[in-house]
Amino acid sequence: GIQVEQSPPDLILQEGANSTLRCNFSDSVNNLQWFHQNPWGQLINLFYIPSGTKQNGRLSATTVATERYSLLYISSSQTTDSGVYFCAVERLAGGGADGLTFGKGTHLIIQP
Amino acid sequence: ETGVTQSPTHLIKTRGQQVTLRCSSQSGHNTVSWYQQALGQGPQFIFQYYREEENGRGNFPPRFSGLQFPNYSSELNVNALELDDSALYLCASSLGTGGRETQYFGPGTRLLVL
Repeated sequence: GIQVEQSPPDLILQEGANSTLRCNFSDSVNNLQWFHQNPWGQLINLFYIPSGTKQNGRLSATTVATERYSLLYISSSQTTDSGVYFCAVERLAGGGADGLTFGKGTHLIIQP
Repeated sequence: ETGVTQSPTHLIKTRGQQVTLRCSSQSGHNTVSWYQQALGQGPQFIFQYYREEENGRGNFPPRFSGLQFPNYSSELNVNALELDDSALYLCASSLGTGGRETQYFGPGTRLLVL
C-alpha cells in the first residue's frame, strides 16, 4: 500500500514563531488532506489539497504532486495551534475504496 | 463542527464481548468510512460503505463488520473483542466515492477493552 511519512515527528516552538510541516507519499494520489487533531480526538479539516497551493488565514499548504510531497505552513503560531497534525492521502479507487492512509503525525507544542 | 455525530462517546467492554458503534453522516453525504486510531498512531482505514454496500476494506479481520442504512447512517460492529481493540474509533462522511472526496470526521468513540 501507499506509504506516508511526516516530518518532523515533534516540534516545540514559542508563540509567534513560524513552522513548516512536511508530508512525503510514495505513490500518485487523488486526495490529500491535512488535519489538526485536538486533545479530545476531533480531526479538524484544514485543507483538501491534492495539488497546488491554498491559504486560510495563518495557515497555508502546498502540494507538489509530481514530486510526491506536501507542506503545511503555520505562521505566527498561537498556543491554540498545539496538537497533532496529520497528512492523509488516498489513491483513485479502482475496484473499491482504499480509504485515507494517514502518516504518523507531527506533534506540535506552542509555548507561551 | 462537521455535522458528523457518533455514539456513544466512551465505552468499556470486557474481552470476548461484542460492541456496536454508531455514526450519523453529514447531511447530503452518502458515504461513510470507519477508522481505528490506536494511542499515538494515525487512524487506520477499516472499511467504507456507499449506498448501503461495503465499498472497500482495510486490513481488518471479519469480526469487524458494518452496516449502512437508507438514511446513510452507519454502524460498526466488533465481535469477540480483544485487548488490542482498545482505540478511538472515528467515522468520516463524504459525498460519493472514488478517492477524490473530502472526508469529514466525527468526534469519535473511545473504546476500552478490559
